[in-house]
Amino acid sequence: DGGITQSPKYLFRKEGQNVTLSCEQNLNHDAMYWYRQDPGQGLRLIYYSQIVNDFQKGDIAEGYSVSREKKESFPLTVTSAQKNPTAFYLCASRRGGGDSPQPQHFGDGTRLSIL
Amino acid sequence: AQSVTQPDIHITVSEGASLELRCNYSYGATPYLFWYVQSPGQGLQLLLKYFSGDTLVQGIKGFEAEFKRSQSSFNPRKPSVHWSDAAEYFCAVGGTSGGSNYKLTFGKGTLLTVNP
Repeated sequence: DGGITQSPKYLFRKEGQNVTLSCEQNLNHDAMYWYRQDPGQGLRLIYYSQIVNDFQKGDIAEGYSVSREKKESFPLTVTSAQKNPTAFYLCASRRGGGDSPQPQHFGDGTRLSIL
Repeated sequence: AQSVTQPDIHITVSEGASLELRCNYSYGATPYLFWYVQSPGQGLQLLLKYFSGDTLVQGIKGFEAEFKRSQSSFNPRKPSVHWSDAAEYFCAVGGTSGGSNYKLTFGKGTLLTVNP
């Protein structure tokens, strides 16, 4: 079945450590997104990518980095510069580029905590 | 700029009662409106969407919504709530932001509790 796979489901980070969250999709979608979810805050956009080898900052990109070397993969690195990384991270993808009004499809998330 | 506001942070209903979820939208000429549902510890699942055409939309889990342009509303309704509907519900508006890229702006969510 097609879908979005996020791994790991739970992740722990030590102080000063970078960690990478994986997001893989086999839906052949062009666009991919990373969101951060905190209780009572809804979803906030970290980064998004419309095509391979191109990505844009979202509303809260500081302390995060991404790459898009393959269409199906969009890993997110939480760097040591992100001082409050504890959150639930959601990856999404969408068919079509540009203004295509297709809905985003979501993975099951990764919960990141600080040790 | 597009924006969404969910006025109800938490709603409690009894099983079998009717339900309407609310969201206030601000959007450009072409509204791309969405509702998603999230169970605890899970990702978001698309509940309803509206782009154009028929203003009455059927979604999953027995929900339906009517787009009312004059009121800027697209509120899901369900005539009889089931215990399995307990979840958090998010509205979102899509559109362009400086160029042809497509982003969603999410509301902060409405948590639905269903009493037996």
